[in-house]
Amino acid sequence: GENVEQHPSTLSVQEGDSAVIKCTYSDSASNYFPWYKQELGKRPQLIIDIRSNVGEKKDQRIAVTLNKTAKHFSLHITETQPEDSAVYFCAASIGYGQNFVFGPGTRLSVLP
Amino acid sequence: DAGVTQSPTHLIKTRGQHVTLRCSPISGHKSVSWYQQVLGQGPQFIFQYYEKEERGRGNFPDRFSARQFPNYSSELNVNALLLGDSALYLCASSVQGPGNTIYFGEGSWLTVV
Repeated sequence: GENVEQHPSTLSVQEGDSAVIKCTYSDSASNYFPWYKQELGKRPQLIIDIRSNVGEKKDQRIAVTLNKTAKHFSLHITETQPEDSAVYFCAASIGYGQNFVFGPGTRLSVLP
Repeated sequence: DAGVTQSPTHLIKTRGQHVTLRCSPISGHKSVSWYQQVLGQGPQFIFQYYEKEERGRGNFPDRFSARQFPNYSSELNVNALLLGDSALYLCASSVQGPGNTIYFGEGSWLTVV
């Protein structure tokens, strides 16, 4: 079955710097890759997603890139702010008949 | 519009007991899936239902079961609770079936003592 790895497990950056979180997946049939942000004690919230027919997607300070050949995708956050501090999860889905496999998460701390 | 709603939000059960967790999807969403999130880990898929039929099952024992009702709400049942079942149980809904964007509810925190 699908396996999703995520690095780093923890990441500390200074406010205003950029943060990059990387995920790799094992099943080349995976075609949909969402990213979720989870604040302490809260539900995971979708922040951005990308499908396999697209190489990059951007939404204000957040962007996701996908390399299907290498089977990895990355989350990029620019101009980080303290409110970006949370745990970020990547996920992969093969599509119909399958469901989401999540990575183990990255705890991002943005230091003022 | 209301998001995904789950109940109860917190509960404590004793080993061997049974628990039922409930979920109402976002209005217009016909698919509900359940995930278990153990502290410090990512969500792990348990079940998905679409149009009241089971469309996917994760690697969980038969003590876990679920169903979806005609109004698309769902319940997750866990029998013979073990200490290791302590986790946040997340319900997520999507417009269509597997492979579509899912939106999570706030979850039900289950503690087994």
